[in-house]
Amino acid sequence: KAGVTQTPRYLIKTRGQQVTLSCSPISGHRSVSWYQQTPGQGLQFLFEYFSETQRNKGNFPGRFSGRQFSNSRSEMNVSTLELGDSALYLCASGEGSEDTQYFGPGTRLTVL
Amino acid sequence: DAKTTQPPSMDCAEGRAANLPCNHSTISGNEYVYWYRQIHSQGPQYIIHGLKNNETNEMASLIITEDRKSSTLILPHATLRDTAVYYCIAGGTSYGKLTFGQGTILTVHP
Repeated sequence: KAGVTQTPRYLIKTRGQQVTLSCSPISGHRSVSWYQQTPGQGLQFLFEYFSETQRNKGNFPGRFSGRQFSNSRSEMNVSTLELGDSALYLCASGEGSEDTQYFGPGTRLTVL
Repeated sequence: DAKTTQPPSMDCAEGRAANLPCNHSTISGNEYVYWYRQIHSQGPQYIIHGLKNNETNEMASLIITEDRKSSTLILPHATLRDTAVYYCIAGGTSYGKLTFGQGTILTVHP
């Protein structure tokens, strides 16, 4: 099976803009989670979707949002970008919410 | 999730076994121990997980103590490509969430 894919791999934006990142899970996986990784904070959980429903959410402001489509593909959106949003954004998928999660390669976002 | 404690860094010679320890003294009886690794700027890679029995796969072996308060990840013949940050997670996945600590930076030397 193909692994988790994320697009784009690299992105440069300026403060105040918004951005949409995409994640395609492993075929058959219905759970998709998103993480933010920065040098200072490490890997932090953003949210999880299962069957198009957000079932878990981390401690991030409302500027961070997501959605999941009927084919389990997921997008996350960050509005009004801040310099501190520069990070590696990772997506992970699992068969279910309690199952082993497999990560994609990530999207490197740079906010100028 | 149970708190985990890992050494910040470890070294290993190429070809030798790398033994990475993890303490998880507050783990509950039904909580799994998961290991992931992350090579620089890539997504974390799943390695192995277990509940109470020792586990082995093509990548590594996981030894969990009888009281389940600690575990050791063993890479039997480390290569330079095994240089990475290794994360031990006690508790597994809860509604899609894995709680990552700081991990152990393993450096494999020629």
